[in-house]
Amino acid sequence: AQKVTQAQTEISVVEKEDVTLDCVYETRDTTYYLFWYKQPPSGELVFLIRRNSFDEQNEISGRYSWNFQKSTSSFNFTITASQVVDSAVYFCALSLRGANSKLTFGKGITLSVRP
Amino acid sequence: KAGVTQTPRYLIKTRGQQVTLSCSPISGHRSVSWYQQTPGQGLQFLFEYFSETQRNKGNFPGRFSGRQFSNSRSEMNVSTLELGDSALYLCASSPEPNTEAFFGQGTRLTVV
Repeated sequence: AQKVTQAQTEISVVEKEDVTLDCVYETRDTTYYLFWYKQPPSGELVFLIRRNSFDEQNEISGRYSWNFQKSTSSFNFTITASQVVDSAVYFCALSLRGANSKLTFGKGITLSVRP
Repeated sequence: KAGVTQTPRYLIKTRGQQVTLSCSPISGHRSVSWYQQTPGQGLQFLFEYFSETQRNKGNFPGRFSGRQFSNSRSEMNVSTLELGDSALYLCASSPEPNTEAFFGQGTRLTVV
């Protein structure tokens, strides 16, 4: 069975600091997909990124960057120069190919960015 | 392009009643999944539908059921409500399974 661990539960930073959110996953499958979602207080899960297991290239999107390392089963998310609007709960998730394509979520990390 | 629409946004029901929640996916998306979010259990998968067929079901009792219509809209039903069913119910829409899943704002169900 697959599992996603987000060991950090709450992180508090001051605006403009860089912050890294950790995600470790477990699966025996060789083909899988990793996701990050942001959940602001409004409740909607906002899609941030999807990465398949064959693509270990790191990705940067504006202030956001993701580091995927199969060797350590990690898919970490870094926010550079954090802003107050980044305050939210962030979820890492895993899905498998085929019939078992459900998203398995971690417990989430509550990020608070103080002005 | 309109996003995923869930109705109603808020619902208060009494124990023993039943409830139906609705989800309209993004136009062109044929896969719809449902998740339950509670403070204690986090985000848990309920079911996934693709082209009107249930592909996958989570570990929930039979009181939880769902369906998908030919226009990809989906409904989930919970019968004989229990206090523990109080949660945020989120619907996700994807073009196909294993692609990017986009979520609605959810329906917050309170059972009293």
